[in-house]
Amino acid sequence: QVQLVESGGGVVQPGRSLRLSCAASGFIFHSYGMHWVRQAPGTGLEWVAVIVYDGSNKYYRDSVKGRFTISRDNSKNTLYLQMNSLRPEDTGVYYCAKDWGPADTRPENWGQGALVTVSS
Amino acid sequence: SYELTQPPSVSVSPGQTARITCSGDALPKKYASWYQQKSGQAPVLVIYEDSKRPSGIPERFSGSSSGTMATLTISGAQVEDEADYYCYSTDSSATRFGGGTKLTVL
Repeated sequence: QVQLVESGGGVVQPGRSLRLSCAASGFIFHSYGMHWVRQAPGTGLEWVAVIVYDGSNKYYRDSVKGRFTISRDNSKNTLYLQMNSLRPEDTGVYYCAKDWGPADTRPENWGQGALVTVSS
Repeated sequence: SYELTQPPSVSVSPGQTARITCSGDALPKKYASWYQQKSGQAPVLVIYEDSKRPSGIPERFSGSSSGTMATLTISGAQVEDEADYYCYSTDSSATRFGGGTKLTVL
């Protein structure tokens, strides 16, 4: 079965960087698009970024463009989110999610999330 | 920018039909999906392409879309259906999730 395990969360000061990883198993990783979705405490879901199956196309929400980079290593079945210039409003649980197909259709399966806290 | 609007809350008694709406200008051209998120858990896809149900999702969950509004219907809502529900529609860089609707079944 599909398994997605996020890691790399923690407490970081504003302006600093953090890299999240998502280890995937139970499906053919290189055949699917992958998403990052976050959720600030007590609020709704917020889509962050998507990368298509081969990494050739990436899309970001406006508020993270230029600061966050989504990438993938298909040889390691791993998705990444490099987060730079972090702000307090980036605080939340970050979920990785497998897309329905190879590109950018919809998140289908979700991990359990990694908590990122941006605070001085 | 593109937005999806949902009511903040819906409340029904067990066995009643719950309807949660999602409005957005692009919905006539884009499919809507629906996610259920129970407290402390990751979201689960319950409807995709407006009205299709993934395997394992109970038949009481259904979806429809007309014009600028998509609707999630839970026929005969159960206590275990109490959760937050989010609509989703693909857009390259804009907000993709609705604000969420808290469904109370009591």
